[in-house]
Amino acid sequence: KAGVTQTPRYLIKTRGQQVTLSCSPISGHRSVSWYQQTPGQGLQFLFEYFSETQRNKGNFPGRFSGRQFSNSRSEMNVSTLELGDSALYLCASSLDPGMVEKLFFGSGTQLSVL
Amino acid sequence: QKEVEQDPGPLSVPEGAIVSLNCTYSNSAFQYFMWYRQYSRKGPELLMYTYSSGNKEDGRFTAQVDKSSKYISLFIRDSQPSDSATYLCAMSRASGGSYIPTFGRGTSLIVHP
Repeated sequence: KAGVTQTPRYLIKTRGQQVTLSCSPISGHRSVSWYQQTPGQGLQFLFEYFSETQRNKGNFPGRFSGRQFSNSRSEMNVSTLELGDSALYLCASSLDPGMVEKLFFGSGTQLSVL
Repeated sequence: QKEVEQDPGPLSVPEGAIVSLNCTYSNSAFQYFMWYRQYSRKGPELLMYTYSSGNKEDGRFTAQVDKSSKYISLFIRDSQPSDSATYLCAMSRASGGSYIPTFGRGTSLIVHP
């Protein structure tokens, strides 16, 4: 069974640009969540989606947004990039929301903002 | 003060040693307690989880939760060089019909032959 797939693996952008990251969950998993990981702040929750609806949102500015499609695939978007947005962005999936004890992560997208 | 505190290390031990990794937390509403292992350039991988207080053992790994002290631990017996990774504790509480994990910053473990 294929794991959580994130594309692209690496991205380099400049300040002010926007970026879209993609996540394909494990087959059959309906809940997708996104996290930002930085050396300074660690792993922080961004948002969670289920049935194309955002169920929870972390403490991030409105420049961070996401969506989920009917096939459970998800994208997140960051607009007006800032240097501080440089991070590893991780997507995780589970069968249903709230199954935090059975959360599977992808390998992430490493975003560098110059 | 962060909700979950974890010493970043690095923690360097010889092969075969018993490793003790710990986290403290401040929010008594946390109900699920997890440990993840993360290798370089990879996503975290769930090692163990515990619901509420108690101990749980899986092979060389033992997780302990002491809710009265707001303290969780992960013990690794007979540590191997392949155990070298960053270990993240995480805990979650109910939020909006779901459980959202809060992570520690991770402890870097190095097991040298």
